[in-house]
Amino acid sequence: KNQVEQSPQSLIILEGKNCTLQCNYTVSPFSNLRWYKQDTGRGPVSLTIMTFSENTKSNGRYTATLDADTKQSSLHITASQLSDSASYICVVSASDQLSFGAGTTVTVRA
Amino acid sequence: DAGVTQSPTHLIKTRGQQVTLRCSPKSGHDTVSWYQQALGQGPQFIFQYYEEEERQRGNFPDRFSGHQFPNYSSELNVNALLLGDSALYLCASSLFGGDVEKLFFGSGTQLSVL
Repeated sequence: KNQVEQSPQSLIILEGKNCTLQCNYTVSPFSNLRWYKQDTGRGPVSLTIMTFSENTKSNGRYTATLDADTKQSSLHITASQLSDSASYICVVSASDQLSFGAGTTVTVRA
Repeated sequence: DAGVTQSPTHLIKTRGQQVTLRCSPKSGHDTVSWYQQALGQGPQFIFQYYEEEERQRGNFPDRFSGHQFPNYSSELNVNALLLGDSALYLCASSLFGGDVEKLFFGSGTQLSVL
């Protein structure tokens, strides 16, 4: 069964600090891995997408890494801002099927 | 250029009732997928419509049905509502056979079943 596990479930950080979110998956065959940001009550918005051959991709203060051998990905948020408070969802694609993680809720405090 | 639009934004129903949710895809997109997202969980795939036909379906009962119109807009119908159907329902649009990166979500319809 294709599964995507994210950790931690939630975290609180101070504004300006960095944080790293983790995603482990057992999806096969692997096609690509995406990170989405979802504000409360809104739809997910794509941050990054990586294929098998890519091991890092950045989008502003967001940097995603992928280790296809260990089936792990991370999302690093640099110099966090209050607007980074949201749920971050890892999505892994196998052929034309998407498997969603439960998300990590990030709260940035002033 | 309007993105994916969903209506209504919020809805309150009682058990046993029926509900219809609507979605207009992003301009240029022809494929619509529906997801159910329970509080604190990731979205769960319900089904996908392309060329007015259901192409894929997730693990949801027949109470969940859909439709796609010639203009690519779509409806999600849920019959005999249960308390457990309370969730955020997301619509996502894409171009069939296109770049898988280009999947856009709407803001969702928050359904509460009392």
